[in-house]
Amino acid sequence: AQTVTQSQPEMSVQEAETVTLSCTYDTSESNYYLFWYKQPPSRQMILVIRQEAYKQQNATENRFSVNFQKAAKSFSLKISDSQLGDTAMYFCAFVSDDKIIFGKGTRLHILP
Amino acid sequence: DAGVIQSPRHEVTEMGQEVTLRCKPISGHNSLFWYRQTMMRGLELLIYFNNNVPIDDSGMPEDRFSAKMPNASFSTLKIQPSEPRDSAVYFCASSFYRDGNQPQHFGDGTRLSIL
Repeated sequence: AQTVTQSQPEMSVQEAETVTLSCTYDTSESNYYLFWYKQPPSRQMILVIRQEAYKQQNATENRFSVNFQKAAKSFSLKISDSQLGDTAMYFCAFVSDDKIIFGKGTRLHILP
Repeated sequence: DAGVIQSPRHEVTEMGQEVTLRCKPISGHNSLFWYRQTMMRGLELLIYFNNNVPIDDSGMPEDRFSAKMPNASFSTLKIQPSEPRDSAVYFCASSFYRDGNQPQHFGDGTRLSIL
């Protein structure tokens, strides 16, 4: 069975700093997708970044980038130049066919 | 504790037919969310309810989609008429909203295929 582990329940960093959120997963499948979602106080899940497992190149979206290590089954999210609006819960998700498995989330606080 | 229960697990139907997806949230939760999941776009929020009242339905793609929550323990998402581009996995999630973030609990999803 697939599992997704986020080992950091809560983190705090100063505004403008860089922060890395960790995510590891376990699967025997070869084709899958990985996502990072943000859940701000508005509560809806917002897609931050996605990575196809067959792509070796790490995905990047503006200040957000991932470090995807397929062999190690690791998918960390790096937020550069963090902003107050980045304060939220962040969820790592593993998706394969019609399965979506979320990690338990990391609560990120960006401090002024 | 029973989690969020969705039915059916899979649905295959021909275009033009009406499709109804069902969701039973976790008892005691006061917020319910309907999402559509595709590989390309990830999770897209369609609509969410708070205390059975629709709060934000801006994600509902078109008038063919409608959602109801007649009571705290049941919600439906209806597509009429269905089209092949509606094929996706539809997730229901619930949470208890008091203040700030509360984790959402997701159902297993309904895989919808429109032929």
